[in-house]
Amino acid sequence: DADVTQTPRNRITKTGKRIMLECSQTKGHDRMYWYRQDPGLGLRLIYYSFDVKDINKGEISDGYSVSRQAQAKFSLSLESAIPNQTALYFCATSDSTQETQYFGPGTRLLVL
Amino acid sequence: AQSVSQHNHHVILSEAASLELGCNYSYGGTVNLFWYVQYPGQHLQLLLKYFSGDPLVKGIKGFEAEFIKSKFSFNLRKPSVQWSDTAEYFCAVTPDYKLSFGAGTTVTVRA
Repeated sequence: DADVTQTPRNRITKTGKRIMLECSQTKGHDRMYWYRQDPGLGLRLIYYSFDVKDINKGEISDGYSVSRQAQAKFSLSLESAIPNQTALYFCATSDSTQETQYFGPGTRLLVL
Repeated sequence: AQSVSQHNHHVILSEAASLELGCNYSYGGTVNLFWYVQYPGQHLQLLLKYFSGDPLVKGIKGFEAEFIKSKFSFNLRKPSVQWSDTAEYFCAVTPDYKLSFGAGTTVTVRA
């Protein structure tokens, strides 16, 4: 969905490096989410934010942090990347009146 | 633990065959149910959703799903698949605005 964008689309980094993945949306939604996708595991929730001042941990938040800079922007950081963080990362948004989530195109991250 | 289970990891079938993908969840109480599809190289797209009302819901591209509350199931069906239905399919449940996904089922349709 072009209304949810993610940058970069692909990233190769080395163990120990700090990296940031960014998500922007023009849908006007107040809720934003970060997931990672691994083969055979589906998507797992890392962090979510229901409002600019609201940040919540998901099921696999260890090793990650987030920043909600504005209603439209939600960034995911890996403070010190490790190889098992190699995955496909998706940002998603939803509004407060319904639970349908809309996904960005994903960021493919490889940690060497 | 609460979870979403998809019965098949990989399904291979020929064009015009019928497709049914199973999904069971273990959440109690009221839930909303979704099927998402991920075509090769693309992001997740919503196929269909169930919030309330008629337990048989129709989605895009000829897909439908049936919610059976007594079985905690939300199975996806398509009477006649096409090669373009080759994709990964995810069942998801939201008891509280956070989506819990199944592991996904890869569907390969042979021309």
